[in-house]
Amino acid sequence: GDSVTQTEGLVTVTEGLPVKLNCTYQTTYLTIAFFWYVQYLNEAPQVLLKSSTDNKRTEHQGFHATLHKSSSSFHLQKSSAQLSDSALYYCAPLNYNQGKLIFGQGTKLSIKP
Amino acid sequence: GGIITQTPKFLIGQEGQKLTLKCQQNFNHDTMYWYRQDSGKGLRLIYYSITENDLQKGDLSEGYDASREKKSSFSLTVTSAQKNEMAVFLCASSNRPTLYFGSGTRLTVL
Repeated sequence: GDSVTQTEGLVTVTEGLPVKLNCTYQTTYLTIAFFWYVQYLNEAPQVLLKSSTDNKRTEHQGFHATLHKSSSSFHLQKSSAQLSDSALYYCAPLNYNQGKLIFGQGTKLSIKP
Repeated sequence: GGIITQTPKFLIGQEGQKLTLKCQQNFNHDTMYWYRQDSGKGLRLIYYSITENDLQKGDLSEGYDASREKKSSFSLTVTSAQKNEMAVFLCASSNRPTLYFGSGTRLTVL
């Protein structure tokens, strides 16, 4: 079946320094889109950014990610972390044939002053 | 815009009890989902429904039933609550490819 791996459960970064959250995936069906969702404390998950084009950089709210189908990866990055970036981040490929969105285990990002 | 409303926000049950969680959406989306959120385990799909009266099992469907009698509503039933169980159940709807989530129902079983 489809699977997503987010290798870090917790990432702690000092404010102003770069951030990278890893995401690799394995899918058995045609997958047309990849997402990063963010969940702030006591809120619902919401889309941070999405991509369906191989090797194209996608940006939103200072974050960026590039889908690399050759390495099955969709890592999330930001050049300068802010305190408000502290949240839970989920990587998710969309299995369009079945309409299912499979989520990774999530990475908690903690930004310290 | 639209909204997804989950009721109740907090649910406390007893071991062995049947518990029902409700979800309403006014996006007019066809597809709806139930996910369970546990710390360190991410979001796991319990059931989803592509249209009214359709039900599809996710990876975590054992111990749960679901019902989609109307396009706008999707219910989830915990058939027998497990002692000391604690989790957040998230409902979502989709206008492919993006999912929109409700704020969740937090379940505690005593």
